[in-house]
Parts: sequence; structure tokens; C-alpha cells
Amino acid sequence: QSALTQPASVSGSPGQSITISCTGTSSDVGGYKYVSWYQQHPGKAPKLMIYDVSNRPSGVSNRFSGSKSGNTASLTISGLQAEDEADYYCSSYRGSSTLGVFGTGTKVTVL
Amino acid sequence: EVQLVESGGGLVQPGGSLRLSCAASGFTFTNDWMSWVRQAPGKGLEWVANIKPDGSEKYYVDSVKGRFTISRDNAKNSLYLQMNSLRADDTAVYYCARGGTTASYWGQGTLVTVSS
Repeated sequence: QSALTQPASVSGSPGQSITISCTGTSSDVGGYKYVSWYQQHPGKAPKLMIYDVSNRPSGVSNRFSGSKSGNTASLTISGLQAEDEADYYCSSYRGSSTLGVFGTGTKVTVL
Repeated sequence: EVQLVESGGGLVQPGGSLRLSCAASGFTFTNDWMSWVRQAPGKGLEWVANIKPDGSEKYYVDSVKGRFTISRDNAKNSLYLQMNSLRADDTAVYYCARGGTTASYWGQGTLVTVSS
């Protein structure tokens, strides 16, 4: 049950766009359209930002967008803001009769 | 408003047991898969277990199989995690989450510390 691979850190200046990758295999990310992304501020519970690869829950800013190509999913944050500084985790479905798997996590820093 | 409130965490010795509870409100509990997710200090997230709405299917991460049991009481809108034979590497914040594949809502978490 290996974790999905994410870059340890990504940074950008306010107003810029950044993209976080999430690489898995054909047994998880590549095989299903059930990739989700979570934002976690220090000491807080995670918050769902993207589900089913590219869908935003109600209330989540449209500056957050998701996509997938092959075995790699991506989260893009456009118009970066100070409040976006947090840890981000991807997660993927891995089929019935088993749990999903999270990514290793990415720390986003706003310069 | 969806609310998930965990309780039951604390300090326990290696080999001991704890039972975590999660009180759910603000949604139709009986319609949804529910999950437990944990986060060790300074580490990433890990799915621990999930359970089907009627409780008929349960899945666990390999490291807790045979030691942890997830259950639910739909009449009480509550989710549980019975943790036995606890080990130091079970030390983590345990979150209750709505959903089995996508965690749409999360509780605030409860800290479990396994130490002598």
C-alpha cells in the first residue's frame, strides 16, 4: 500500500500559479476517475478541495482546479494567495474491497 | 451543517486498548460510507478503515488488520474504532471522515498516544 508520490514542496509568489503533481500507477490514479485533493493548515483538520479529479465542492474557490493525465493527477492553484500556504494531499481510489491511498503530501509556501 | 465530533483518545501503554467514537450530525448518516484516517506526528495522512452504510463491508489498512475494528450504530449516528494491541507506531491524530473514497467532511481529530 505505497503512498502516491508528490513533491515535498512547491512555492510561488502572490498572484502566480503553481501546480502540484500526484503520481501513482494504473492500479490507482491511472485506473479510476476518483482522485481527490485536501488542504491542511497547521494544527487543523484536512479540507476537501477537489473530488473526482476535477470537481470543486461548494464553497471552494475557483482558483483551485484539478486534472489527470495517465498515472499523474495535478492540482493547480491560480492567483496564489497567502491563505493558500498549507499542506496539500492527493488521494486515489484503488478499487473495491480495499482502502484508498494518500499522497506523500506537498508543502506550499507563498513567498 | 455537517458536524463530526471525535472522542476517546488519550495516553495508553503498548499492548493496551482504546475505543474511539465519532458523533455525526447534519447529514443522513445511514446513506454514507464512513472512514477513519490517521496522521502520525509530523507525518502524512493514512486511511485506516472504512465501513459501508449498513455495516456489511469493512476494509482496513494492512498494519491494523486483526487489531482494529470499525463499527457503526446508525440509530445513534455514531462511528467507532476499537483499537487493541496498540503499538507505538499507532500514535497519531485519528480523524473521523464522511465518505469511503472521498472524505468530504472531517472531524477535528482525537490524539492517541501509545507510550509507556
